Amino acid sequence: SQTIHQWPATLVQPVGSPLSLECTVEGTSNPNLYWYRQAAGRGLQLLFYSIGIDQISSEVPQNLSASRPQDRQFILSSKKLLLSDSGFYLCAWSGTSYYEQYFGPGTRLTVT
Amino acid sequence: GQQVMQIPQYQHVQEGEDFTTYCNSSTTLSNIQWYKQRPGGHPVFLIQLVKSGEVKKQKRLTFQFGEAKKNSSLHITATQTTDVGTYFCAGPWDTGNQFYFGTGTSLTVIP
Repeated sequence: SQTIHQWPATLVQPVGSPLSLECTVEGTSNPNLYWYRQAAGRGLQLLFYSIGIDQISSEVPQNLSASRPQDRQFILSSKKLLLSDSGFYLCAWSGTSYYEQYFGPGTRLTVT
Repeated sequence: GQQVMQIPQYQHVQEGEDFTTYCNSSTTLSNIQWYKQRPGGHPVFLIQLVKSGEVKKQKRLTFQFGEAKKNSSLHITATQTTDVGTYFCAGPWDTGNQFYFGTGTSLTVIP
């Protein structure tokens, strides 16, 4: 069966520090991968979408970037965090583009 | 602005009462997906509807996709405390590669 991992579970970082969140998927090949952000009590905003290695679409302009160095690895990064980057970051995968998605446990990021 | 709206934003019901959330998109969707997120948890996929006018049932949950493929609803019969959470609809635009989650409906069930 397929499993999706995210780490860390929680993170507190100062403004201006770098960020690296990692997501890995097991049990499937060539998944579509997604990064979402959810502000407290709000809906999900799609940040990045990837259909393959080094193939990444950015959905909104922001202080973040994404990379996919391996088929089942998706990384979310920032060079300098802003207060507005705080939120719940969720990675998801699907077998077909924009079809049923399966989410990882998420990372709660607080920028102080 | 928001592309996929859900109403109501919040709903409190007595256990045993029915619950419905409505999802409306500004653009035709190629499919509609529903997810449930428990407090403190991550969204969990519930179901996907693809065809215009499609209706699917999962035990006490009934999902419907509108004829114009721009709206959808989720109805829960006889709510239980295990139904607590936020329900999101989501879907890709029929015209391209844009994908939106709805604003969500938070359900509280009072025992």
